[in-house]
Amino acid sequence: GAGVSQTPSNKVTEKGKYVELRCDPISGHTALYWYRQSLGQGPEFLIYFQGTGAADDSGLPNDRFFAVRPEGSVSTLKIQRTERGDSAVYLCASSLAPARAGGPQETQYFGPGTRLLVL
Amino acid sequence: SQKIEQNSEALNIQEGKTATLTCNYTNYSPAYLQWYRQDPGRGPVFLLLIRENEKEKRKERLKVTFDTTLKQSLFHITASQPADSATYLCALETGMDSSYKLIFGSGTRLLVRP
Repeated sequence: GAGVSQTPSNKVTEKGKYVELRCDPISGHTALYWYRQSLGQGPEFLIYFQGTGAADDSGLPNDRFFAVRPEGSVSTLKIQRTERGDSAVYLCASSLAPARAGGPQETQYFGPGTRLLVL
Repeated sequence: SQKIEQNSEALNIQEGKTATLTCNYTNYSPAYLQWYRQDPGRGPVFLLLIRENEKEKRKERLKVTFDTTLKQSLFHITASQPADSATYLCALETGMDSSYKLIFGSGTRLLVRP
């Protein structure tokens, strides 16, 4: 596809339920990021994949959050036992592999986000 | 502590004027800084990147400056148009770890009146 796509666009769930959010990055982009954005705030980093592996998961708030990217393309963000405080827009971004060693990274291209509402 | 600050108050200007948005940071030594535009209900869209050894970068009506001494970046839109109305986010990549993750400010909303 032309850009990063995310599904579903909106998700309403009840407190305590499990949700999965999907990200389809731009074809050929090996780097994939998940961010979370609350109203009136900038996106907040959650996790970064380089290929299939999570290179940095330091932004995941707790062990209820988990993400996978088994084939190095599509990624799924999984949230267990959802809480009302998990309500936010979850953004995915992708980029080409980080450029030359020591050089700046390629531009990150963002998807439209999944709006999660936990009741 | 590390912080990125952008004016939380909306900037309201007349069409044709130059909009200037500010991004200040503390306790970072960014390898580079980026500016994004975000429209309601959409993801951020990349606009410009400026590296630590660059003072200024231009793209059409956009200009970004980067002062590592003041720890500040200014983002200018000249000859502003109502279509420029959006939220503008600055983001830092410190380049200090393996992830090159972006650290965002909270954004400044720009409203250009016709």
